[in-house]
Amino acid sequence: GAVVSQHPSRVICKSGTSVKIECRSLDFQATTMFWYRQFPKQSLMLMATSNEGSKATYEQGVEKDKFLINHASLTLSTLTVTSAHPEDSSFYICSAPRTTVSNYGYTFGSGTRLTVV
Amino acid sequence: TQLLEQSPQFLSIQEGENLTVYCNSSSVFSSLQWYRQEPGEGPVLLVTVVTGGEVKKLKRLTFQFGDARKDSSLHITAAQPGDTGLYLCGGGSNYKLTFGKGTLLTVNP
Repeated sequence: GAVVSQHPSRVICKSGTSVKIECRSLDFQATTMFWYRQFPKQSLMLMATSNEGSKATYEQGVEKDKFLINHASLTLSTLTVTSAHPEDSSFYICSAPRTTVSNYGYTFGSGTRLTVV
Repeated sequence: TQLLEQSPQFLSIQEGENLTVYCNSSSVFSSLQWYRQEPGEGPVLLVTVVTGGEVKKLKRLTFQFGDARKDSSLHITAAQPGDTGLYLCGGGSNYKLTFGKGTLLTVNP
């Protein structure tokens, strides 16, 4: 249980175009989702917190107009990279908190490899 | 902001060896989590430690939470090539998770 499905897994886009990444919680409701960015062989950097029905909270240094987040339902959060540039190329991952009988943690999507050419 | 320091950052060992990865902070955490991430995939939760001094075992992996809940360790016994990956510790409050920089482990056959 507690699966987060992320799509697409890989996307290549031209500079100046926009790309939408979707994260769906398949078997639970996620009122909160987190979006991370990861560079090769590095850790995860939190970009923003997505809250269902309200505005996302962005971390310092993350441009909210460039990385648009929408969390319109309890099972879907989207991240749109607008006017993408090559420096936006990265691995983007979403996650949602989960609680099971034996454990508390976060379930992550499988990530989206974005390449801007 | 609560910071987590992980060490070592890189570790390359031979199959069958033992290893320990450390996660330290100057802050107290209500819980710490350990994740493993394989290339091109999202992190997968291994364990959550909650109680100071707690020890949890997951097959060949042993996780320990420090008495003061400021540090944690992950010990792997008889490492196997399948253990290769990025190991991340994470902790936080109000659902906001902070990650250490990770330990990139390579187990060579």
